[in-house]
Amino acid sequence: AQTVTQSQPEMSVQEAETVTLSCTYDTSESDYYLFWYKQPPSRQMILVIRQEAYKQQNATENRFSVNFQKAAKSFSLKISDSQLGDAAMYFCAYRSGDTLAGSYQLTFGKGTKLSVIP
Amino acid sequence: NAGVTQTPKFQVLKTGQSMTLQCAQDMNHNSMYWYRQDPGMGLRLIYYSASEGTTDKGEVPNGYNVSRLNKREFSLRLESAAPSQTSVYFCASSEASLRTDTQYFGPGTRLTVL
Repeated sequence: AQTVTQSQPEMSVQEAETVTLSCTYDTSESDYYLFWYKQPPSRQMILVIRQEAYKQQNATENRFSVNFQKAAKSFSLKISDSQLGDAAMYFCAYRSGDTLAGSYQLTFGKGTKLSVIP
Repeated sequence: NAGVTQTPKFQVLKTGQSMTLQCAQDMNHNSMYWYRQDPGMGLRLIYYSASEGTTDKGEVPNGYNVSRLNKREFSLRLESAAPSQTSVYFCASSEASLRTDTQYFGPGTRLTVL
């Protein structure tokens, strides 16, 4: 079974600075997908960024980018120019590329609570 | 276009009571999911429905049943609620295509079992 580990329960960053959230995962598969979801106090789960394991290039989405190290099974999220609205729980998630029987479920880490200091 | 909707938003039950959480999506997605979120535990999959007419157990299915009523709707039923089922419940849906699958989540239901 796959596992996802987020080793930083809480982090803080000064407004306008850069912060990196860590995520490692354990899998024996070669084809899979990785995601970062943001959960603000409203509880809504919002997709931030996704990465396909077969792609060498790191995904970017405006101020959000990832550092995907497949050999090390590491998938960190970098937030540049942090804003107050970035304060939230951030979850790393894994999805198998083996979709036998349509199994697309996500395995989540326990989350990192990010605070942004004005 | 409302995305994924869930009802109710909040619910308090007594031990042994039953209830059904409702979920609907308007994105014409094939797959739907139910997760629970407990403090410090992240989200864990309860049940999923890969396509209309099919359902399968996830990581924590005990104490729950589901029904995929049609392509749009996927309900979660607690037959005899227990305090251990106090949690926030999220429904999600996805297109379920091989390369472009992304799950979209509803706003969640906060359930308290006394």
